[in-house]
Amino acid sequence: HLQESGPGLVRPSETLSLSCTVSGDSLNSPSYFWGWIRQPPAKGLEWVGAISHTGNSFSAPSLKSRVTMGVDTSKNQFSLRLTSVTAADTAIYFCARQVGAGLWISRWGQGTLVTVPS
Amino acid sequence: QSALTQPASVSGSPGQSITISCTGTNNDIGSYNYVSWYQQQPGSAPKVVIYHVSDRPSGVSNRFSGAKSGNMASLTISGLLPEDEAVYYCSSYTSAGALDVLFGGGTKLTVL
Repeated sequence: HLQESGPGLVRPSETLSLSCTVSGDSLNSPSYFWGWIRQPPAKGLEWVGAISHTGNSFSAPSLKSRVTMGVDTSKNQFSLRLTSVTAADTAIYFCARQVGAGLWISRWGQGTLVTVPS
Repeated sequence: QSALTQPASVSGSPGQSITISCTGTNNDIGSYNYVSWYQQQPGSAPKVVIYHVSDRPSGVSNRFSGAKSGNMASLTISGLLPEDEAVYYCSSYTSAGALDVLFGGGTKLTVL
């Protein structure tokens, strides 16, 4: 089970910060990456990035300059920070478990809506 | 504009089979056997139905099958059921240039 948490409203130019708490799974597994995917309202999916338990991270090239991810294995949590947000960053943000080979998504959180007003 | 191209909609009657296509390039679908497919019901998170082109996770019906030829992947659903009505997304891994996970724009399946 994965559960996102964080503010539902972020002002333009500020930083979006989300956490994902994992239960029933260990962040220490070497088989997985822990990822973020977003979905603007009524639109398709966009991969944001993923991080391993060792802190090795990858981000979508289009977002790389604004994305920071972290992992706290003691709390079984991982996090996303997205800086300098605009209305275009308004989306449902899903945290997810991604499997190492090919990074397919084997488990999803329920998602949390983050709105950046224009 | 999505990186992978899917038809916007497909439809079929209960019991029939449908196929959803997903077109990429030599840099993604054409180079890796890392295509996955996700089903999203309204108001819910997506759920994987196919990974690694044609593998099914446990618990997914064998009515779902996947294939790939060149730069195109496909998802076939046989014996359509009303509960198959959903939006389906294809996805492909790529590391050509920079690592990325690409998605198609989604295909709305209507079961008539």
